[in-house]
Amino acid sequence: DAKTTQPNSMESNEEEPVHLPCNHSTISGTDYIHWYRQLPSQGPEYVIHGLTSNVNNRMASLAIAEDRKSSTLILHRATLRDAAVYYCILRTNYGQNFVFGPGTRLSVLP
Amino acid sequence: GAVVSQHPSWVICKSGTSVKIECRSLDFQATTMFWYRQFPKQSLMLMATSNEGSKATYEQGVEKDKFLINHASLTLSTLTVTSAHPEDSSFYICSARGGFSGWSIGNTEAFFGQGTRLTVV
Repeated sequence: DAKTTQPNSMESNEEEPVHLPCNHSTISGTDYIHWYRQLPSQGPEYVIHGLTSNVNNRMASLAIAEDRKSSTLILHRATLRDAAVYYCILRTNYGQNFVFGPGTRLSVLP
Repeated sequence: GAVVSQHPSWVICKSGTSVKIECRSLDFQATTMFWYRQFPKQSLMLMATSNEGSKATYEQGVEKDKFLINHASLTLSTLTVTSAHPEDSSFYICSARGGFSGWSIGNTEAFFGQGTRLTVV
């Protein structure tokens, strides 16, 4: 799976939007962009994924650059429960597993 | 969404003993299960991939005789840490993937268990 680059950490204030960036300049045409998050002492949790178009679900929005070399996970109103490590992962149609990078540790301040 | 359940959530064992961790897919048939290990402040590292009814494929550097994986049914995979030592203390996480009916692998989310905290004393 192609590599992604994310900031090590970010901070946000509660009830404010959060934009978590991810660079994936070596993405191939068939790679899906997946986002997962891991709360403390828990397994990863699915957040959202997309291919080319922006995606919205109840948890977040995913904005994908036109050239697909970067994407942004948007939490519209951060809550204390959103404090977690967020992983941006490229998923191929041929790769069996998910390759996790260091992710971005999001801190939410009250 | 689909649910993957791990048991136990945490376990403490004495050095030299063996520990079994179960991973169950509760509402779908998991043709493939993955086992990850996560040390403090680090990311998840894949240990092995198992397909139902066949031998597991281990990542480089993971001892297959120490970490025994059994995927005997479409809903259950087990990881047994044999002769555990303190350096095996870690957070073990399983992930399950079902079969595909018209969906590509890339377009399918993965489901993870809640993890098992193993402490070897």
